[in-house]
Order: sequence, then structure tokens, then C-alpha cells
Amino acid sequence: DVKVTQSSRYLVKRTGEKVFLECVQDMDHENMFWYRQDPGLGLRLIYFSYDVKMKEKGDIPEGYSVSREKKERFSLILESASTNQTSMYLCASSPSLGLGSLSYNEQFFGPGTRLTVL
Amino acid sequence: KQEVTQIPAALSVPEGENLVLNCSFTDSAIYNLQWFRQDPGKGLTSLLLIQSSQREQTSGRLNASLDKSSGRSTLYIAASQPGDSATYLCAVTSGTYKYIFGTGTRLKVLA
Repeated sequence: DVKVTQSSRYLVKRTGEKVFLECVQDMDHENMFWYRQDPGLGLRLIYFSYDVKMKEKGDIPEGYSVSREKKERFSLILESASTNQTSMYLCASSPSLGLGSLSYNEQFFGPGTRLTVL
Repeated sequence: KQEVTQIPAALSVPEGENLVLNCSFTDSAIYNLQWFRQDPGKGLTSLLLIQSSQREQTSGRLNASLDKSSGRSTLYIAASQPGDSATYLCAVTSGTYKYIFGTGTRLKVLA
């Protein structure tokens, strides 16, 4: 079974702190994603990565950065946390179809990190 | 721009009932469509993935259909149980790496 793990289930931080959210997948997937989920707004893509050291902005990248130094690990960084970044953060991974294809397949999600910024 | 809609937003049914959840999308040029289940405060669990060339997929009591031309997918749940209570989300992929999600249907199955 594909397993996607996230470093924390619950996290409380103060405004202005630098926050690291870690995601690890064990199925050698090329693609990894970070979403946030808010009531009434659904899931919104923050960043995604289709290869090591490669990253692309999603719909709401402002205030966030990412790092992918190893294939299995994708980190989300809040450079200076603000109260409007209080949310549920979800990481996902998916395989590519190979041969340099830009298409992708089934997404698998981690358990989520509930972040509260005070 | 692709938009995904799920109606109804919430649904309550008695145990044992067969039910259908709906998902509509505006751009029929999709690679695939995926149905997920989300329990409160948890991540998403993949239920079924339908490739654009397929018409339906089945897993146990779940059956998902896809009609690309009309921009619709349905998730059929047979003989519903209280354990099926959750939020069900559909997501489509079209032309990019990313999935576009609906806002979900919150299902409650009453014992």
C-alpha cells in the first residue's frame, strides 16, 4: 500500500514564526503536492513538484515556499506564519506514467496537519 | 477554466438505502476523475479512479461512472451503512499536473 506520512497531526505556532511541514512518501512517486483545505473553499493547491529539485506554483503560493531535495520528501515552509495561514494542510503524491510524460495518475493523500497560528 | 461542482452539498439517508452522489465538470477534456472519501479531521482516502477512456469502475459496494461528453460522474453506493458517513469529494485532472476538486458532498447514513 502507498503510504504518505506527514510530520505532525496538530501544530500550534505563533505569528512570525518560520514553520516547516514535512511530507514523506514510500512509493517512489515522481509527483508530490501540497494543498490547504478550508471550510467553504475546498482544497486549494499551494505548490507541486514533478521531480527532485523541481517545483511549480499552484493557485495560492503566496507566503509559502517548498523544498524537494530527495524524491520521497516534500517540505512546505511558511516563512513568517500569519493567522490567515491557520488551516488543514494536506500532502499528496502520485506516480507519473513514465517516458517523460507530463500526465499523472491516482493521487494518494497523507493524514493532514492541522496548523493553528496564534 | 475547469470547475467542478458536487450536488447536493449534504445528504442524510437511512441505513440500507442505495444512493447516488453527483459530480459535474465544465471542461470535458480530462485525463481522469477520482473519487475520495474524507472523514472529519482526516486526510483523503482514494476510492476509485476512472481514466478518461473508461466508463465506470467498481470496488465492493461502490460504482463510479463517467460521461465525459456531458461532463458528469456519479458515485453509486449500494446498501449504505453508518460507516459510510463521511464527505465524498471528486477531482478531475485536465492538461496540467494538478487536480481540480469539488467542494464535496457530506453524507450521513442513519442507523
